[in-house]
Amino acid sequence: GAVVSQHPSWVICKSGTSVKIECRSLDFQATTMFWYRQFPKQSLMLMATSNEGSKATYEQGVEKDKFLINHASLTLSTLTVTSAHPEDSSFYICSARDPWGAGYEQYFGPGTRLTVT
Amino acid sequence: QKEVEQNSGPLSVPEGAIASLNCTYSDRGSQSFFWYRQYSGKSPELIMSIYSNGDKEDGRFTAQLNKASQYVSLLIRDSQPSDSATYLCAVNENMRFGAGTRLTVKP
Repeated sequence: GAVVSQHPSWVICKSGTSVKIECRSLDFQATTMFWYRQFPKQSLMLMATSNEGSKATYEQGVEKDKFLINHASLTLSTLTVTSAHPEDSSFYICSARDPWGAGYEQYFGPGTRLTVT
Repeated sequence: QKEVEQNSGPLSVPEGAIASLNCTYSDRGSQSFFWYRQYSGKSPELIMSIYSNGDKEDGRFTAQLNKASQYVSLLIRDSQPSDSATYLCAVNENMRFGAGTRLTVKP
């Protein structure tokens, strides 16, 4: 299957600072990437859909000015959590759609665990 | 009504038994359906995809799709302790996941 990487795998930051998370498709070009957030013992919550070369589409209730998404190339999307607060502590996971897949297969990165102190 | 609903479990089966996981969806126009497995602290991994009504088998896994009834299920035969995880149903037209069913396979 297709490989998606994320960096960093975990990060601890102080309240009020910003954190950037990178998501890369390693062996395919992804025109569409997705960002999810997962709190402990809860399911994945879609935050936004990122399309290469255009603005991301955010889900209802997700602050676009707080969670900045950039998809500048076909292999890289970034999520920046601005002015992070402890309630932003979560597991952030990206996924990429394989354009050559039979349907809409998504392949997930390993996730980034963010802790805001 | 939630777009994708799963029986939340937890589901516990003995080793060697068949585990049955179910999922219903609200959008009748949905065409692509997926089952993902997520181990604790890890990201989801794709197990099965199904697009047509009927059954699709892959090793010990069988996905079943019934578009008329708007449900998709996953059967795991000969369940192993290593199958213990949360199983997520996804309907990919809208990128929504169900809440997941936590499966425990007891030795």
